[in-house]
Amino acid sequence: QKEVEQNSGPLSVPEGAIASLNCTYSDRGSQSFFWYRQYSGKSPELIMSIYSNGDKEDGRFTAQLNKASQYVSLLIRDSQPSDSATYLCAVRMDYGGATNKLIFGTGTLLAVQP
Amino acid sequence: DTAVSQTPKYLVTQMGNDKSIKCEQNLGHDTMYWYKQDSKKFLKIMFSYNNKELIINETVPNRFSPKSPDKAHLNLHINSLELGDSAVYFCASSQELLDTQYFGPGTRLTVL
Repeated sequence: QKEVEQNSGPLSVPEGAIASLNCTYSDRGSQSFFWYRQYSGKSPELIMSIYSNGDKEDGRFTAQLNKASQYVSLLIRDSQPSDSATYLCAVRMDYGGATNKLIFGTGTLLAVQP
Repeated sequence: DTAVSQTPKYLVTQMGNDKSIKCEQNLGHDTMYWYKQDSKKFLKIMFSYNNKELIINETVPNRFSPKSPDKAHLNLHINSLELGDSAVYFCASSQELLDTQYFGPGTRLTVL
């Protein structure tokens, strides 16, 4: 089992719809979760971080974390063509100090159709 | 004001050559990283430095040698380049170890 898994997509949604991006992780001790957006040919940039179970909202973006199910998701409301990008889930696995690991999923390609 | 900058942006070279990539951050962060992103977009940490000290050294061939002259700079030197080294290399920095990553623009390395 991969440490952080995402469906590679592409996930195609019409403009104005809700895009739902999912990520599962293997290590129950994981404490910190990040969503990054990467446009083609560009570097990743942070969309949102989440550390506690439940929902965290920031504008059109909502991150949802369920540690019992080892699942983190990102919802994008009112999707725009400018949201078309690869979304990377990253999970920090805490083993203590320098042995902590930050693992990225392979990303989900989102395509918002005008 | 560029937060994390890298040079060069593109690097095309022959197998067996030695090359370096430079990185600088002006965010005042203590921790810097090198990542490799392969053709399948898989992003993986190679090294992490905290205040000039090597903290994380993933399983990377010893042909790759990072150097941090000060906490704002982290360079990557690669000896005896191989075809499999072709990838995009990102520099990043963070306030605390493995917290929110701020990425540079990337260096696309092509080994012929």
